[in-house]
Amino acid sequence: ETGVTQTPRHLVMGMTNKKSLKCEQHLGHNAMYWYKQSAKKPLELMFVYSLEERVENNSVPSRFSPECPNSSHLFLHLHTLQPEDSALYLCASSQGGGTSNEKLFFGSGTQLSVL
Amino acid sequence: GDSVTQMEGPVTLSEEAFLTINCTYTATGYPSLFWYVQYPGEGLQLLLKATKADDKGSNKGFEATYRKETTSFHLEKGSVQVSDSAVYFCALSDGNTGGFKTIFGAGTRLFVKA
Repeated sequence: ETGVTQTPRHLVMGMTNKKSLKCEQHLGHNAMYWYKQSAKKPLELMFVYSLEERVENNSVPSRFSPECPNSSHLFLHLHTLQPEDSALYLCASSQGGGTSNEKLFFGSGTQLSVL
Repeated sequence: GDSVTQMEGPVTLSEEAFLTINCTYTATGYPSLFWYVQYPGEGLQLLLKATKADDKGSNKGFEATYRKETTSFHLEKGSVQVSDSAVYFCALSDGNTGGFKTIFGAGTRLFVKA
């Protein structure tokens, strides 16, 4: 039990579909993150929310749209994706103090395949 | 910008062998350094960290020393077990860019044979 739960665990979608990934944390943290994990590449930070406000957006294509309705929930809305978007999408949370020794707590990820 | 480079895997070892996974970094400020581990089917979890030069992080028999002069944070374990098979990620968080921006390496997969 990591305290960060992601659903679904696996998702297959066509390029014209619209789907959403969900993340929930039960740790009382104030910051939440989306990372993309592709084979043999560094984890890519996509979005960061602190106290429900977006504080980081790393030039992510607009076909990825995050939403953070409260400090416990984070969504990633997907539409008109490309096959190269197939990857493991990881959600993480942290206490949210913004210090450099911030420890991240990760969910198990959603394995996304775009056909 | 800041970056982390770690040795390519996979690394395959026999049980009880000595492990070293190399990690070097580039940062403009004074970063904190981390090793995270990802077991099969799971998310990443923090293994150890060091927040300033010459600090040694340690956990579960793993160690890494923050070397500012060589900008390195190599992971070591004296005697690996089959249960250590996982992917290991080196990471940094630079206080100058804000603690929300943890930067990861590409990961090194470790296989330990019985």
